[in-house]
Amino acid sequence: DQQVKQNSPSLSVQEGRISILNCDYTNSMFDYFLWYKKYPAEGPTFLISISSIKDKNEDGRFTVFLNKSAKHLSLHIVPSQPGDSAVYFCAASGLSGGGADGLTFGKGTHLIIQP
Amino acid sequence: NAGVTQTPKFRVLKTGQSMTLLCAQDMNHEYMYWYRQDPGMGLRLIHYSVGEGTTAKGEVPDGYNVSRLKKQNFLLGLESAAPSQTSVYFCASSSLTSTATHFGNGTRLTVT
Repeated sequence: DQQVKQNSPSLSVQEGRISILNCDYTNSMFDYFLWYKKYPAEGPTFLISISSIKDKNEDGRFTVFLNKSAKHLSLHIVPSQPGDSAVYFCAASGLSGGGADGLTFGKGTHLIIQP
Repeated sequence: NAGVTQTPKFRVLKTGQSMTLLCAQDMNHEYMYWYRQDPGMGLRLIHYSVGEGTTAKGEVPDGYNVSRLKKQNFLLGLESAAPSQTSVYFCASSSLTSTATHFGNGTRLTVT
């Protein structure tokens, strides 16, 4: 049973507009959430994270929102740029950050930025 | 600073053959991990290590063994490869205080 779900396999957004990627989780023990970006033939690279004690974290064009009661988080990218085209993975951890027990990943959302 | 380095990048095995995937990190990280990624799936944890000489099972450990004899290296072994182990394997590492896990660029393994 998937504990981290990304229900949109793909998302197409025009350059300059906002991209919103969504993620839901089922395990209330998760206390840290992370977003990773992945280009073909490369490993995932860390984008942004949020602790369960916060509801928002911002880093430049990237903002992550956490709704703990709904067990839902989202990644906002504003403005979207062509280099943002990639697969985005939502991940969760039961301990702080990467933790000792690794990450649980969603299946990913392929973001396509249209010129 | 190379980060996390995996060798080899590609490998083709016949069913029943064995091999070892090598992972090295130069960030002095305490934790190391092996994940696999299959088409249309997220990454799934195979085994992990919280320090030199210690290993533990992740979500999908069957058919794999690991060793961490040195802090900077984490080896993943397949004793008798099966077609179901065809996948892309990612090694990763993280520190006690970091919020981020750093990944290598992957090893694409095909078992025929």
